[in-house]
Amino acid sequence: DAKTTQPNSMESNEEEPVHLPCNHSTISGTDYIHWYRQLPSQGPEYVIHGLTSNVNNRMASLAIAEDRKSSTLILHRATLRDAAVYYCILRDVGSGNTGKLIFGQGTTLQVKP
Amino acid sequence: DAMVIQNPRYQVTQFGKPVTLSCSQTLNHNVMYWYQQKSSQAPKLLFHYYDKDFNNEADTPDNFQSRRPNTSFCFLDIRSPGLGDAAMYLCATSRDGVTGEQYFGPGTRLTVT
Repeated sequence: DAKTTQPNSMESNEEEPVHLPCNHSTISGTDYIHWYRQLPSQGPEYVIHGLTSNVNNRMASLAIAEDRKSSTLILHRATLRDAAVYYCILRDVGSGNTGKLIFGQGTTLQVKP
Repeated sequence: DAMVIQNPRYQVTQFGKPVTLSCSQTLNHNVMYWYQQKSSQAPKLLFHYYDKDFNNEADTPDNFQSRRPNTSFCFLDIRSPGLGDAAMYLCATSRDGVTGEQYFGPGTRLTVT
């Protein structure tokens, strides 16, 4: 399974943008890039995913490098409720694969008021 | 509206005493997953059901079993809990097992005394 590398922790100020990086240099052509986050004492929740093109939704944006070896999750305006562990996950959807999520250690985001 | 429900939220069992955790979903999703998350670690997939087809992860101990009597319910049975099985157990669902996002429940925190 392809692996991802994320910083252990990051800090941000409230109402400022946050860029969470993820390296995945061994990504394959059938790997989707997924982001989940886990707020304290809750189960993980889906944030966004993409394959090649940049993606936007109501929660965040995902910027994917042209060679797909790295990506960045962008929270446009951090709030205190965005403090969580953010997981960058490669999900292999190639033939014969179940597309299971394999969680790495993630990035713990602290948001300061 | 609750979509993935886990009961109980907190469970205490004794060393070696069988315990069952339950999960139900209102999403009518095909796939249901069980993850184990130990303190300060990332979630780890134990097994999943695609409809009635059971898929066990290679490193899931035999002590862990699962049942899915119908689409809505899935159970995690721990036959002889050890102290090392104390963890948060997360249930998740997905419409399909390949590309769909996973919806997680709030988890059941298991304590083994």
